[in-house]
Amino acid sequence: GAVVSQHPSWVICKSGTSVKIECRSLDFQATTMFWYRQFPKQSLMLMATSNEGSKATYEQGVEKDKFLINHASLTLSTLTVTSAHPEDSSFYICSARTGQGIYEQYFGPGTRLTVT
Amino acid sequence: AQSVTQLGSHVSVSEGALVLLRCNYSSSVPPYLFWYVQYPNQGLQLLLKYTSAATLVKGINGFEAEFKKSETSFHLTKPSAHMSDAAEYFCAVSDGSNFGNEKLTFGTGTRLTIIP
Repeated sequence: GAVVSQHPSWVICKSGTSVKIECRSLDFQATTMFWYRQFPKQSLMLMATSNEGSKATYEQGVEKDKFLINHASLTLSTLTVTSAHPEDSSFYICSARTGQGIYEQYFGPGTRLTVT
Repeated sequence: AQSVTQLGSHVSVSEGALVLLRCNYSSSVPPYLFWYVQYPNQGLQLLLKYTSAATLVKGINGFEAEFKKSETSFHLTKPSAHMSDAAEYFCAVSDGSNFGNEKLTFGTGTRLTIIP
């Protein structure tokens, strides 16, 4: 149980275009989803926290107009990287929590974004 | 504010030898502590967690960790390393008292290499 999927697993896009990444909780309802960014050989940095039906809360330094997060349902959150640039190339990982028991986050497999 | 320090970005052990990955935390409130493992190009998998119950926590794949408040440590151990243990390991802390708004703060990770 507690499986989180991400789609796509990898994507290549041209500079200036937008790309959407989906995060789904497959067998539970996720009251909260988190989006992280991981640079090569570095740790995860929290970008934003999204609660179903409300606006995402972005961490300091994260451009909310560039990284659009939508959490339209209890099983789906999307991250859209708008007007992507090569410096946006990274590994994006989402996680979801059930809101029950100990507040454990279940992580998706990640999405590798390369902007050319 | 919370933080995690992982001592040693790279650790190498022989197959069958003891694995010890170090993690020290800083938190002004009682923490929840986690160890995650990440295989190449994958998301994070929870190994174990401490949530103010037993100080010695047993996780998956034979790993365990001990919460030592006096030392502000949560080191990860495994008695006998296996080749499949080669991966990146992250220690993380969250605010155990901030229910519903907990965020994970990750350490910089330790890459574990197993020597045949």
